[in-house]
Amino acid sequence: SQQGEEDPQALSIQEGENATMNCSYKTSINNLQWYRQNSGRGLVHLILIRSNEREKHSGRLRVTLDTSKKSSSLLITASRAADTASYFCATGPQRYNQGGKLIFGQGTELSVKP
Amino acid sequence: SAVISQKPSRDICQRGTSLTIQCQVDSQVTMMFWYRQQPGQSLTLIATANQGSEATYESGFVIDKFPISRPNLTFSTLTVSNMSPEDSSIYLCSVDTGSYGYTFGSGTRLTVV
Repeated sequence: SQQGEEDPQALSIQEGENATMNCSYKTSINNLQWYRQNSGRGLVHLILIRSNEREKHSGRLRVTLDTSKKSSSLLITASRAADTASYFCATGPQRYNQGGKLIFGQGTELSVKP
Repeated sequence: SAVISQKPSRDICQRGTSLTIQCQVDSQVTMMFWYRQQPGQSLTLIATANQGSEATYESGFVIDKFPISRPNLTFSTLTVSNMSPEDSSIYLCSVDTGSYGYTFGSGTRLTVV
């Protein structure tokens, strides 16, 4: 079963604009991760934020985590056409004996127009 | 982080047949995970494969339909058995690389006709 919801489901922006995607989840987590998928291929890990962190940066990516609201956001600044992809959040379990499996959100399909 | 070689990358199969998907990891890992991604959908975990023990299946997935082998710490296979068009999906394997998140294979795009 899916862990939570992502919104928007689809986002279309112009090159140079910022893109913000949101993710909500239901259960306690150890960490939250964001992935990118191009054209139905394998997923690429973008960034991991632990439950005791509130914000993390990696290049043009900025991730926030609010455990009180069980939500996270991914901001891509100065977007490029190459950022066009589907973006998924995924949560890791709070307890190791839950098997370390990731539970994925529904995903946001981002289209960046040149 | 780990590197995973997954094959085949795609296949078109007749209904009623079976397809075995292979994943080879370039390092030893305790657990490997198999996911299904139906068209236009997110990823759903099928099972967790541990070396030396039976795979653990998620609700809605059974061993007879998706048998898994894990003969050593670097290799696993997933078989999709007695296929029907509803099995048309992308199948992905993944491993936990700790602080670097999870590494995924490039996926197997399966079409059942």
